[in-house]
Amino acid sequence: SQTIHQWPATLVQPVGSPLSLECTVEGTSNPNLYWYRQAAGRGLQLLFYSVGIGQISSEVPQNLSASRPQDRQFILSSKKLLLSDSGFYLCAWSVYNNEQFFGPGTRLTVL
Amino acid sequence: AQSVTQLGSHVSVSEGALVLLRCNYSSSVPPYLFWYVQYPNQGLQLLLKYTSAATLVKGINGFEAEFKKSETSFHLTKPSAHMSDAAEYFCAVSAFLNNNDMRFGAGTRLTVKP
Repeated sequence: SQTIHQWPATLVQPVGSPLSLECTVEGTSNPNLYWYRQAAGRGLQLLFYSVGIGQISSEVPQNLSASRPQDRQFILSSKKLLLSDSGFYLCAWSVYNNEQFFGPGTRLTVL
Repeated sequence: AQSVTQLGSHVSVSEGALVLLRCNYSSSVPPYLFWYVQYPNQGLQLLLKYTSAATLVKGINGFEAEFKKSETSFHLTKPSAHMSDAAEYFCAVSAFLNNNDMRFGAGTRLTVKP
């Protein structure tokens, strides 16, 4: 069966520090991969999606970036965090234009 | 482009009462529609999905939703609420054959009173 992992589960970082969040999927090949951010009391905002290795589409302009170095690995990064980057970050995968399956999420607090 | 509107950011029901969470969608192409549930500090779990087959869709945990094209609605219901149903619920829409463009509603927090 397929599983999706995210780490770390929680993270507290100072403003201006770098960020690296990792997401890996097991049990499937060539999935579509997604990064979402969920701010307090708000819905999900799609940040990036990828349909293959090295292929990244950005939905919103921001100081975040994403990379897909391997088929089942998706990384969310920032060179300098802002206070507004705080939130709950969710990775998801899908195949065959069907539903998306979500990871457990990373709670990021920027102080 | 697609969008969804969830009516009511908070819904409170008594245990055993009917649960009704409202979702209206907008889509210029045939939509796929989804309901997800999120428990605190967890990811989203799929409850059910509509993908142009039967208009009444049954999901997990006793939930169901009906696709009504004329009303552009996809409301989520459960006949009898249980304490364990307390969570946040998200409606989502994507275009047929393109779920890279999935859009989520703002969510509805369901509280179940004993």
